[in-house]
Amino acid sequence: AQKITQTQPGMFVQEKEAVTLDCTYDTSDPSYGLFWYKQPSSGEMIFLIYQGSYDQQNATEGRYSLNFQKARKSANLVISASQLGDSAMYFCAMREGTGGTSYGKLTFGQGTILTVHP
Amino acid sequence: EPEVTQTPSHQVTQMGQEVILRCVPISNHLYFYWYRQILGQKVEFLVSFYNNEISEKSEIFDDQFSVERPDGSNFTLKIRSTKLEDSAMYFCASSDFGQETQYFGPGTRLLVL
Repeated sequence: AQKITQTQPGMFVQEKEAVTLDCTYDTSDPSYGLFWYKQPSSGEMIFLIYQGSYDQQNATEGRYSLNFQKARKSANLVISASQLGDSAMYFCAMREGTGGTSYGKLTFGQGTILTVHP
Repeated sequence: EPEVTQTPSHQVTQMGQEVILRCVPISNHLYFYWYRQILGQKVEFLVSFYNNEISEKSEIFDDQFSVERPDGSNFTLKIRSTKLEDSAMYFCASSDFGQETQYFGPGTRLLVL
């Protein structure tokens, strides 16, 4: 079974509108972390936002927010006020608990290509 | 702002040749990682490294691969005898003690002919 599932291969949004990119995850570990990374066409991986499994509040970073629904095992990324520069591939990733430590491998989803139209 | 750097940005090699990909993690970070991304596919974990030894490795990371921290700043990935299927983007990442986030370098595009 896939640990991270991103069901939207591609998404389109008008500039200045909000968009939600879906991510569901599968783990039996009570301690885990969820991440979103942006990969522009130039190829680098840019960290956007992080949510810990024990965090009570949804994470926010500027125009990015993470809609964390633990019971549904979903961690959707919401981008508000889309900009042309937001056009990129977006990856959801999970770090499962490693004996209480905060380090450990990331498992990535297949990604969603976001295109922002003017 | 500190960042992870990688060299070279692109490398072309012949099948069977050895390649060494270099990374300079963020200076105070303690945990180091290599990932790869075959064109058009998702990012896959290869290996993690802490305290001068491998913490975890994936099944991709077979005997052809090795990692080393030869000095206080560099972190290298060696592929001993490259195969066509090793063609991919290789990312180095690092994270600090007590921090969740792994910061990625810009990647090295490896093409094996």
